[in-house]
Amino acid sequence: QQPVQSPQAVILREGEDAVINCSSSKALYSVHWYRQKHGEAPVFLMILLKGGEQKGHDKISASFNEKKQQSSLYLTASQLSYSGTYFCGTAPSGGSYIPTFGRGTSLIVHP
Amino acid sequence: EAGVTQSPTHLIKTRGQQVTLRCSPISGHTSVYWYQQALGLGLQFLLWYDEGEERNRGNFPPRFSGRQFPNYSSELNVNALELEDSALYLCASSPGTVLSYNEQFFGPGTRLTVL
Repeated sequence: QQPVQSPQAVILREGEDAVINCSSSKALYSVHWYRQKHGEAPVFLMILLKGGEQKGHDKISASFNEKKQQSSLYLTASQLSYSGTYFCGTAPSGGSYIPTFGRGTSLIVHP
Repeated sequence: EAGVTQSPTHLIKTRGQQVTLRCSPISGHTSVYWYQQALGLGLQFLLWYDEGEERNRGNFPPRFSGRQFPNYSSELNVNALELEDSALYLCASSPGTVLSYNEQFFGPGTRLTVL
């Protein structure tokens, strides 16, 4: 079952922060985050494997709340290069570990 | 290091026709995954191949099929094309079989238009 991402779209100015949420109706084993720029292939951001684990690089980080079956992606002091569509993929516990991706969140960062 | 490559980049077909899409994974990667990205629907998982065998398939009809060759490259075949098959088809590869531990590296995709 497809995870639900919110919001569907975010418009920011450079330097502002954003949070993208990802919720699943199933118990989760892992959460994957990818970013896809227009006309390009999705690019891996991070995988979270344990409940409560937070990971990040540069000014992009994520958390995984296993109990709530949710993950959030945090973009701090956004840059123009952050623009794109962000997808979360959730792999259920006890399943095939194939991530099911949400419909994506479109992020636009203006100067 | 060369990334995942896909061919062709674009295809235009008519309803009822058949199409074959090709994917070459990153050298050393044994797993290949196929996704359909239709407008507004995100990435829909189609098929997973590893070591030449189909390991899992998504919720798609049997007219979507594929195979993986000994060199780990892969083909996706779609028979009896329908209008709603119009989408970007993405191939991804990963170095291992346990997907949850590995990131996926995506190719540029093949844009299929069915008229």
